[in-house]
Amino acid sequence: GQQLNQSPQSMFIQEGEDVSMNCTSSSIFNTWLWYKQDPGEGPVLLIALYKAGELTSNGRLTAQFGITRKDSFLNISASIPSDVGIYFCRVNTDKLIFGTGTRLQVFP
Amino acid sequence: DSGVTQTPKHLITATGQRVTLRCSPRSGDLSVYWYQQSLDQGLQFLIQYYNGEERAKGNILERFSAQQFPDLHSELNLSSLELGDSALYFCASSKQGAPHYEQYFGPGTRLTVT
Repeated sequence: GQQLNQSPQSMFIQEGEDVSMNCTSSSIFNTWLWYKQDPGEGPVLLIALYKAGELTSNGRLTAQFGITRKDSFLNISASIPSDVGIYFCRVNTDKLIFGTGTRLQVFP
Repeated sequence: DSGVTQTPKHLITATGQRVTLRCSPRSGDLSVYWYQQSLDQGLQFLIQYYNGEERAKGNILERFSAQQFPDLHSELNLSSLELGDSALYFCASSKQGAPHYEQYFGPGTRLTVT
């Protein structure tokens, strides 16, 4: 079935560092979304991408919709401790598939 | 606060039992979605209801069922519970006509089956 693979699986970084993660699929999608899940909470939508090649920012977060429509990238600049959590990608299908997640730890 | 409420926050029960999880969507939202998140696992979509009717089905076991009531709150029923059913169960809601992805998640119910 359809699957969204996220990489890396985990990241351990120091406060102030930049972070990059990606999400890939073998299928083409028209919308890519990025969510963040804080420990013990439900996911929260961070950024939605609607067009291949689109680059969208939300504060220190920047996401890109890959030109092949099979991938997306999320970057976090100048990380801070509250960036800790799990970052999920998602695509717009009836199956409402989430990616495998990237777990981010930020050390002061 | 997303505006989506879920009760209870925690639930501990034994194998073979049946439990009911409750979700109240955001005011004005007609769609409710249920997800399961096992330890170290991603979010698995279970089922969606829209204005009282089942709209989409994901990886929901036959032992699980859901419904959405006229006041739009939803319940997820889990029966003949097994140890592997221990997980976080999230409810999400979205507005009428909104694309699938404009979902707002509740805080979740943590189910522990012993």
